[in-house]
Amino acid sequence: EAGVTQFPSHSVIEKGQTVTLRCDPISGHDNLYWYRRVMGKEIKFLLHFVKESKQDESGMPNNRFLAERTGGTYSTLKVQPAELEDSGVYFCASSLKEGARGAYNTEAFFGQGTRLTVV
Amino acid sequence: QKEVEQDPGPLSVPEGAIVSLNCTYSNSAFQYFMWYRQYSRKGPELLMYTYSSGNKEDGRFTAQVDKSSKYISLFIRDSQPSDSATYLCAMRGLITGGGNKLTFGTGTQLKVEL
Repeated sequence: EAGVTQFPSHSVIEKGQTVTLRCDPISGHDNLYWYRRVMGKEIKFLLHFVKESKQDESGMPNNRFLAERTGGTYSTLKVQPAELEDSGVYFCASSLKEGARGAYNTEAFFGQGTRLTVV
Repeated sequence: QKEVEQDPGPLSVPEGAIVSLNCTYSNSAFQYFMWYRQYSRKGPELLMYTYSSGNKEDGRFTAQVDKSSKYISLFIRDSQPSDSATYLCAMRGLITGGGNKLTFGTGTQLKVEL
């Protein structure tokens, strides 16, 4: 079974440019999450989709970040325009349908991350 | 103050040693406690989880949670060079619509040397 895949694995862009990150969750996983790790800091939650709907976007830093999940399948995270402080590793994770009993039923499987460098 | 505090290390131990990794937290709403292992350039991989207080053992790994002290631990027995990685503690509250929104520690970098 394929895991969570993210594209690209690494992106270097100039300040002011636009970048779009993509995440393909595990097939059948309704929940999709975006997290970010800025250098030297902990991994922080950005937002949560249930199918195509945004369930919680309380972690989104500002309106330069736009996340979408087309048809409840893959998701994109667009940063426009990118700033230096947006550099970091962006992780996507997916899990089974919310409400399933037990922590393992809702275990979040993470992708390998996209390392974004804004110069 | 961070919700979850974790010593970043690095921690270096000889092969075969017992490793103790710890996190403290401040949010009493946390009910599920996880340990993730992350190898370089990879995503976090769930290693252990515990619901509420108690111990859980899986092979060489033991997870402990003391909710009264807001303190969690991961013990690795007979450590191996392949255990060298960053270990992240993570936690969340009960599922009430927030899904699996996790709060992470900064991670402890572990190196097990031959």
